[in-house]
Amino acid sequence: DSGVTQTPKHLITATGQRVTLRCSPRSGDLSVYWYQQSLDQGLQFLIQYYNGEERAKGNILERFSAQQFPDLHSELNLSSLELGDSALYFCASSGARVDEQYFGPGTRLTVT
Amino acid sequence: AQKITQTQPGMFVQEKEAVTLDCTYDTSDPSYGLFWYKQPSSGEMIFLIYQGSYDQQNATEGRYSLNFQKARKSANLVISASQLGDSAMYFCAMREGRGDYKLSFGAGTTVTVRA
Repeated sequence: DSGVTQTPKHLITATGQRVTLRCSPRSGDLSVYWYQQSLDQGLQFLIQYYNGEERAKGNILERFSAQQFPDLHSELNLSSLELGDSALYFCASSGARVDEQYFGPGTRLTVT
Repeated sequence: AQKITQTQPGMFVQEKEAVTLDCTYDTSDPSYGLFWYKQPSSGEMIFLIYQGSYDQQNATEGRYSLNFQKARKSANLVISASQLGDSAMYFCAMREGRGDYKLSFGAGTTVTVRA
């Protein structure tokens, strides 16, 4: 168990809908990262938050947004969903050490 | 340009034997870190081992060791005494710089351990 929690574990929804994925980092970790794993794109970095502020942005679509709350949990919002958004979405967290980044169990999103 | 290259899509290894998974990387940043993760069929990403660019010695964690060849820009993972539970996808990843710590991943290598 990495100490990073993600909910829900599975999500099935229809095209055009909006969903929210939730992540709680390991205790004490200030950084949260979101990654997307799909068959065609592999594992891709989406966005990073550090102590409530956006730190880095990757290949994140404009339909997607994220935030990190004062209690350090983070949410990834995906809107106007398309079939191609079906993927495994991971949250990861890290503290001050550069040699660690621990992943949550992931949320498997299926868009039908 | 691809930052992390894993050229072996799949490998078979006999139980109790060692296996080497290749990883080459591309960066111009002198400060970087290399990670290996294991992803079993259940889907979670399990951290295995880390090597910093300034680390003088190769990293080891139990049966995992990282063969770090800086001049060749390679960071191969060696799994010794393979076990059936080692069957999984293995990903090499890199963190560049000292600002954000986002990871760039390779395509992964599937390892199947045979009894």
